[in-house]
Amino acid sequence: SQTIHQWPATLVQPVGSPLSLECTVEGTSNPNLYWYRQAAGRGLQLLFYSVGIGQISSEVPQNLSASRPQDRQFILSSKKLLLSDSGFYLCAWRGQGAINQPQHFGDGTRLSIL
Amino acid sequence: EDQVTQSPEALRLQEGESSSLNCSYTVSGLRGLFWYRQDPGKGPEFLFTLYSAGEEKEKERLKATLTKKESFLHITAPKPEDSATYLCAVQALTGANSKLTFGKGITLSVRP
Repeated sequence: SQTIHQWPATLVQPVGSPLSLECTVEGTSNPNLYWYRQAAGRGLQLLFYSVGIGQISSEVPQNLSASRPQDRQFILSSKKLLLSDSGFYLCAWRGQGAINQPQHFGDGTRLSIL
Repeated sequence: EDQVTQSPEALRLQEGESSSLNCSYTVSGLRGLFWYRQDPGKGPEFLFTLYSAGEEKEKERLKATLTKKESFLHITAPKPEDSATYLCAVQALTGANSKLTFGKGITLSVRP
């Protein structure tokens, strides 16, 4: 069966520091991968998606970037964190095949910026 | 622009008291509507996909229905373990990235 892992589970970082969040998927090949941010009182906002190694699409302009160095690895990064980057970051995957298959989520990273 | 509105924002039920959660949507051609359950501090867990008006799906005490403008998640005789936030999302026919547009969620509390 397929599983998705995100780490760390929680992170407290000072303003201006760099960021690296990692997501890996097991049990599937060539998945579509997604990064979302969930802010209190708001719906999930899609940040980035990837259909393959090295292929990244950004949905909203922001202080963050994403990379996919391996088939089942998706990384969310920032060079300098802002207070507004605080939130709950979720990684998701969808299998290849029918485009209306559901996305499956990891358990997220709670990021607090001080 | 695709939009999803969920109501009410929060719902408190007594154990065994059945109710429905509403998801209204506007989309330029619906490819699919998805329901997820999210527990505090966890990622959303997939429940159902509905593809066309009139479709219904069931899982234990949950039943999801779909019309051309909205979806309902009916909860029959809920138990305290059904307490969670329920998210609704739509996927439009246009666009190749299977992008989902989410509502803000409905927080359900079931008292024993």
